[in-house]
Order: sequence, then structure tokens, then C-alpha cells
Amino acid sequence: DARVTQTPRDKVTEMGQEVTMRCQPILGHNTVFWYRQTMMQGLELLAYFRNRAPLDDSGMPKDRFSAEMPDATLATLKIQPSEPRDSAVYFCASGLGTSGNHNEQFFGPGTRLTVL
Amino acid sequence: GENVEQHPSTLSVQEGDSAVIKCTYSDSASNYFPWYKQELGKRPQLIIDIRSNVGEKKDQRIAVTLNKTAKHFSLHITETQPEDSAVYFCAASKWGYSTLTFGKGTMLLVSP
Repeated sequence: DARVTQTPRDKVTEMGQEVTMRCQPILGHNTVFWYRQTMMQGLELLAYFRNRAPLDDSGMPKDRFSAEMPDATLATLKIQPSEPRDSAVYFCASGLGTSGNHNEQFFGPGTRLTVL
Repeated sequence: GENVEQHPSTLSVQEGDSAVIKCTYSDSASNYFPWYKQELGKRPQLIIDIRSNVGEKKDQRIAVTLNKTAKHFSLHITETQPEDSAVYFCAASKWGYSTLTFGKGTMLLVSP
């Protein structure tokens, strides 16, 4: 049963520290998404990759957030410097994109980030 | 861009009752509408979806209806069970586009 994996599952850090979250998409999926989930805002799309190329990162605060796909099996989301308002659950999702029969996105377990 | 509104934000029902969650969307070009279920502390998972060429789709106790003219769609859960308790998210997209615009979610609580 192929699943998206994310590490770490939980991260507690202090304001100003760098945070790196990692995601391994399902093998063969060519689209990767990063979401941030909070009670107030729900699921917000931060960044979107297709075939490792960034297509949309308009939802991401550019001054402190960066997202990359060094290879097809790894996506990273970095926050530097982190701030308390970044506390949230960050989900990675992958999908078959336009080559699939539907637009289903498969979510990872999430990284719960707490910035003190 | 697309905007998806979801109501209610919370819904409490008794076991065995029906539950209905409603969403509206703004972009008339959207034609794919999935629903995701997220149990407490877990990842969102697709439970049912509908494309705009049909008005209704059923899968056992869950069904989704779509009104393209009014730009709204709804999730119907019949004979609710405690294990249906979760947050439900609707979303909208254009078929062939990968990105989804999500509603803010509905917390459904089914009491025994």
C-alpha cells in the first residue's frame, strides 16, 4: 500500500531557528503539493510542483519559506527564520497530475510544527 | 481564482440520522468536486468525488449532488455512525488541472 511519507512527524523549535520538513511522494506520482493547515485558515496551498518543477508558490511567504524537489523522491519545505505564527500542521500530498484519471491527491501524515 | 465556501463549520447529529454538508464555488469553469475526510490527527483522504457531467453520485451511505447552475454541491451521509465523526473538506478544480481549492471544513460529530 503505497503512501506519502513525511519527516519529522513533530517538530518543536524556537523562534528564529531554521526548520526543514521532508516528503517522499508515492513512486510514479509527478505532482507534489505542500499545504499548511490551521484551525483558522483550513488547508492552504503553499507550493505545487510538477515533474520537479515549481509551478505555483504564490501561497508561500517568500521571505522565509522555500520549497524544492532535489529529486523525484524528495520534496523539502524550509522555513528560515521560523516565527510563532508558522505553528501549524504541514501536509505534503502527491498525485498523478494530468496523466491520471482523476485529480486525487494523496496526503502524507503531516508534520506538526510548534514554534515557541 | 476559485473560492470555495463550506457550511456548516460544525454539525452534530445522533447516530442513525442523516448529515448534509454544503459547498458553493465561484469559478464556473470548475468541473471536478472531491470530498476529503480527515479523522482526528490523521491525514485527509478522498471519500467521493463528482465531475460536472453528472448530477449525483452514490457510494453506499454517502452521496454527492451537484447543481452547476447554482454552483453548489453537497455531501449527504445517511445512517450516520460514530466512525463518521471527522472533519470533511470539499474542494473544487478544473479537470486536467492538478490544484484543488478547499473549503474550510466541517467538523461532524455523530453521537451514539
